[in-house]
Amino acid sequence: GAVVSQHPSWVICKSGTSVKIECRSLDFQATTMFWYRQFPKQSLMLMATSNEGSKATYEQGVEKDKFLINHASLTLSTLTVTSAHPEDSSFYICSARSVRRRTDTQYFGPGTRLTVL
Amino acid sequence: AQSVTQLGSHVSVSEGALVLLRCNYSSSVPPYLFWYVQYPNQGLQLLLKYTSAATLVKGINGFEAEFKKSETSFHLTKPSAHMSDAAEYFCAVSYGGSQGNLIFGKGTKLSVKP
Repeated sequence: GAVVSQHPSWVICKSGTSVKIECRSLDFQATTMFWYRQFPKQSLMLMATSNEGSKATYEQGVEKDKFLINHASLTLSTLTVTSAHPEDSSFYICSARSVRRRTDTQYFGPGTRLTVL
Repeated sequence: AQSVTQLGSHVSVSEGALVLLRCNYSSSVPPYLFWYVQYPNQGLQLLLKYTSAATLVKGINGFEAEFKKSETSFHLTKPSAHMSDAAEYFCAVSYGGSQGNLIFGKGTKLSVKP
């Protein structure tokens, strides 16, 4: 149980285009989903916390207009990187927390490798 | 600010040897503590977690960790390393109960030599 999927697993796009990444909890409902980015050989940095039905909370320094987050249901959150640039190239990982399990455990997706040319 | 420190960005052991990955947190309030493992180009997999129950926590793949409040530590150990244990390991803490966010350490890359 507690499986989280991400789609796509990797994407290459041209500079200036927008990319949407989906994060789904497959076998549980998640009121909260988190989006992280990870640069090579570095730790995960929290970008934003997404609660179902409400606006996402962004971490300091993360541009909310550039990284659009939508959490439309208890099983789906999306991250859209708008007008992507090469510096946005990174590994994006989502995680989800179960509403029923009442625990701090976050279950992570497999990540999405974004390369902006 | 709360923080997590993982001593040693890279640890190398021989197959069959003891694995010890260190993690210290900074807080006067005991947090929830986690160890995650990340294989190349993959997301994070939960190894084990401490949530104020038993101080010695057993996880998957033969790993365990002991919460020591006096030392503010949560070191990860495994008696005998296997080649498949080679990966990046992250220690993380959460302070806010069910609403708390995870704060990650910088990670420790474990290499296992044959």
